[in-house]
Amino acid sequence: SQQGEEDPQALSIQEGENATMNCSYKTSINNLQWYRQNSGRGLVHLILIRSNEREKHSGRLRVTLDTSKKSSSLLITASRAADTASYFCATASGTYKYIFGTGTRLKVLA
Amino acid sequence: DVKVTQSSRYLVKRTGEKVFLECVQDMDHENMFWYRQDPGLGLRLIYFSYDVKMKEKGDIPEGYSVSREKKERFSLILESASTNQTSMYLCASSLQGASSYNEQFFGPGTRLTVL
Repeated sequence: SQQGEEDPQALSIQEGENATMNCSYKTSINNLQWYRQNSGRGLVHLILIRSNEREKHSGRLRVTLDTSKKSSSLLITASRAADTASYFCATASGTYKYIFGTGTRLKVLA
Repeated sequence: DVKVTQSSRYLVKRTGEKVFLECVQDMDHENMFWYRQDPGLGLRLIYFSYDVKMKEKGDIPEGYSVSREKKERFSLILESASTNQTSMYLCASSLQGASSYNEQFFGPGTRLTVL
């Protein structure tokens, strides 16, 4: 079964608005990562947050991690049409392995 | 610019055919992975390899095998393709590193259709 579950499954916002998506997981983790996938393409790594970190920033991205609730959120500020994509969280599970969630489909309307 | 390449973007095969999907990375990464991606199911790990000639089963290895004869190349083999193997196949690689949990670099994917 999928460990990472993103919420919502789909999100539609206007350009300039902020987009927030959440990820919940079930077991303890080493780190949690967020990836973006443009339609029909491979995934691109966005940001990694380690289990001893609570918040991390990268450009317009802000990630939080709450290990007590086993959840993470990805905030994209001042969204652009080019941010339209699917976003996945991935948690490290076992040796060398990651478990990916089913993704949030974000649509940014111009 | 780091790169993971996959041999085909689109592939159409017949039931029962033997299918080879090739993946090559130019980053000297130790780890390589094969996933399949299906709507509503996300990415599921088929096999991964942490060294040349080493392989480990992922969550859904049935009907698949892999080969890693050289560090840069990781092949996925469908011994006898079936219609339920119609899917998007994604290859990825990562550095081994101290933590073993580094970011993964993905190829563009191969959309396989089995008729």
